[in-house]
Amino acid sequence: GENVEQHPSTLSVQEGDSAVIKCTYSDSASNYFPWYKQELGKRPQLIIDIRSNVGEKKDQRIAVTLNKTAKHFSLHITETQPEDSAVYFCAAGLIQGAQKLVFGQGTRLTINP
Amino acid sequence: ETGVTQTPRHLVMGMTNKKSLKCEQHLGHNAMYWYKQSAKKPLELMFVYNFKEQTENNSVPSRFSPECPNSSHLFLHLHTLQPEDSALYLCASSQGSTGSYEQYFGPGTRLTVT
Repeated sequence: GENVEQHPSTLSVQEGDSAVIKCTYSDSASNYFPWYKQELGKRPQLIIDIRSNVGEKKDQRIAVTLNKTAKHFSLHITETQPEDSAVYFCAAGLIQGAQKLVFGQGTRLTINP
Repeated sequence: ETGVTQTPRHLVMGMTNKKSLKCEQHLGHNAMYWYKQSAKKPLELMFVYNFKEQTENNSVPSRFSPECPNSSHLFLHLHTLQPEDSALYLCASSQGSTGSYEQYFGPGTRLTVT
C-alpha cells in the first residue's frame, strides 16, 4: 500500500521568510496530492492540492510542486505570517470517487515575529 | 462552520462500555470517512463510505463498527475498547465524484478510554 513520509517534523522560520515542507510517496499509482492545515484545537482544512497531470500549482503565497519520477512533492509558503503557524499534513491517494488518502506525519510550523 | 458536525465532542468510557459516535454532513456530499488522530500517529484513515457503501476498511479492529444509514449520516459504534484507542476521532465528507476532491472535516470527538 501507499506510504507517505513527511519532513521536517518541526520547522521554525522568521516572519517574512519562506518555509518548505517535503513529502515522498511510494505508490506510483497515486494521482492526487492535497495539503491540509490544522491550527491548534481546530479541524484540518485543505489549503492546496495538485493532481499528477501538473507539476506545479500556486495560490497566492502558497505553492505545491510535484515530481512524479522521484515520487516527491513539496509545499512552499512565501512571505510567512504569524497566522501560518499550524501543523501541515501532506497526503497521497488515488482519485476514484471517494479517496483513500494516506497522510504524512505532519509538520509543526512556527512563525517567529 | 464547515457543514460537518460530530457528537459528542468529548467522551469518556470504560473498557466494558458501548457507545456510539455520530457524524452528520449538510453539504450534499456522497462520501464519508472516519479518521483516528493521536499524538503518536498522523491522520489514520479507518473507514470510507461512498453512496452509503463501505469501500474501505483500513484493517480496523472489530471493536470499531461503522454504520452509514444514508449519505448524510455516519456512525462509529464502539465496544470493549482499549486504553490505546484514546484519540481524536474525526469524520470527514467529500463529493465522492468528479469535481472537487476536498475532504471537509468535522470538529472531532475526543475519546478517552479508562
